[in-house]
Amino acid sequence: EVQLLESGGGLLQPGGSLRLSCAASGFTFSSFPMNWVRQAPGKGLEWVSGISGSGGSTYYADSVKGRFTIARDNSKNMLYLQMNSLRAEDTAVYYCAKDRSTTGWPYWNFDLWGRGTLVTVSS
Amino acid sequence: EIVLTQSPGTLSLSPGERATLSCRATQSVTSNYLAWYQQKLGQAPRLLIYGASIRATGIPDRFSGSGSGTDFTLTISRLEPEDFAVYYCHQYGTSPRNFGQGTRLEIK
Repeated sequence: EVQLLESGGGLLQPGGSLRLSCAASGFTFSSFPMNWVRQAPGKGLEWVSGISGSGGSTYYADSVKGRFTIARDNSKNMLYLQMNSLRAEDTAVYYCAKDRSTTGWPYWNFDLWGRGTLVTVSS
Repeated sequence: EIVLTQSPGTLSLSPGERATLSCRATQSVTSNYLAWYQQKLGQAPRLLIYGASIRATGIPDRFSGSGSGTDFTLTISRLEPEDFAVYYCHQYGTSPRNFGQGTRLEIK
């Protein structure tokens, strides 16, 4: 079955760190760019970060640049998001999303999504 | 930065009716790189349309996208009960690749 499954969310204090994981199955993971997209409670969607199929190129929203790091392990079909210096405004459901591209380079269309993992940053 | 404004904020219609959702950009969207997503309550988004008018794999043909430049439309020709959800447009031609704020399609 083609699916993405996120894990690693939780409650933590401002300034803390957290690593999210996304396990992919049912498709050739290394062929597709991957992304993280978040949604604050009751709000709209915000693209956070993306990575090429090889992992050699990474992309970040200005709101997280310098604090978040995206990575992937193609041997394990895993995507990661290391989040440091967390702020209250980072509170959201974080979705792992597969890019539609088959070239390894992003098209920025997300055709497969996980169910999301909730990150809450609060003192 | 391109800002996307979706209208209306909420659209109340009955099953069988036609829905027309609008997405307007503050600047021309490069190469009409505009997508539409559907999000049902408690679920992840689903890609409906990309390239302004191309249906994603498995999307029923009652969903259609149109428009160019700064004005885009998602049309649902005949609403089914499962179509009531929130719809987001997304421009991906220019960084930052922003989403619109969403249109809620509710049952009248």
